[in-house]
Amino acid sequence: SAVISQKPSRDICQRGTSLTIQCQVDSQVTMMFWYRQQPGQSLTLIATANQGSEATYESGFVIDKFPISRPNLTFSTLTVSNMSPEDSSIYLCSVEDHEGLDYEQYFGPGTRLTVT
Amino acid sequence: KQEVTQIPAALSVPEGENLVLNCSFTDSAIYNLQWFRQDPGKGLTSLLLIQSSQREQTSGRLNASLDKSSGRSTLYIAASQPGDSATYLCAVTSGTYKYIFGTGTRLKVLA
Repeated sequence: SAVISQKPSRDICQRGTSLTIQCQVDSQVTMMFWYRQQPGQSLTLIATANQGSEATYESGFVIDKFPISRPNLTFSTLTVSNMSPEDSSIYLCSVEDHEGLDYEQYFGPGTRLTVT
Repeated sequence: KQEVTQIPAALSVPEGENLVLNCSFTDSAIYNLQWFRQDPGKGLTSLLLIQSSQREQTSGRLNASLDKSSGRSTLYIAASQPGDSATYLCAVTSGTYKYIFGTGTRLKVLA
């Protein structure tokens, strides 16, 4: 199973600033995913990050607000730009690992963001 | 559009009870269903993965079943312990990478 780490684990930021979240995986993976979990809510997929191509964003999420980098097969970053209090959430990265026909999704510990 | 619902939203039980968490999905054409545990303010821990061709999976005190035709999955926790207190999430995928998550069940096991 993949082991995922994220930095920072939490941060408190002022509105109008930007924060870049890092995600590191202990093995090479094709696809990495970024999710948002707003307070009291379930997870919503922001975008899929493929190495060597632009990220694919889900409806309601745009590149200008959430730029993503994927420089290699073990690392990705998500930037939350021009933050507002509504961006206060837990941001999680995940990967899909597979053995044979089993595709299982693994998550990082999350980054807890508070925007004041 | 796939929608995933979990019932109950919250559950409080005394230690030692066996309990069942429910997950339902509107589109039965799924590839996988996965159960996760989330501790407050933390990431997700994968508990059990059920492929669409399987009917159940077991790990320790946990047993998850899948009835694709009726769009339902259950997570059975035997002999619950205070350490089981967490939010339990189910998620389905339809063969693409995209997982649709349920709303979660917040479980509290009282000592």
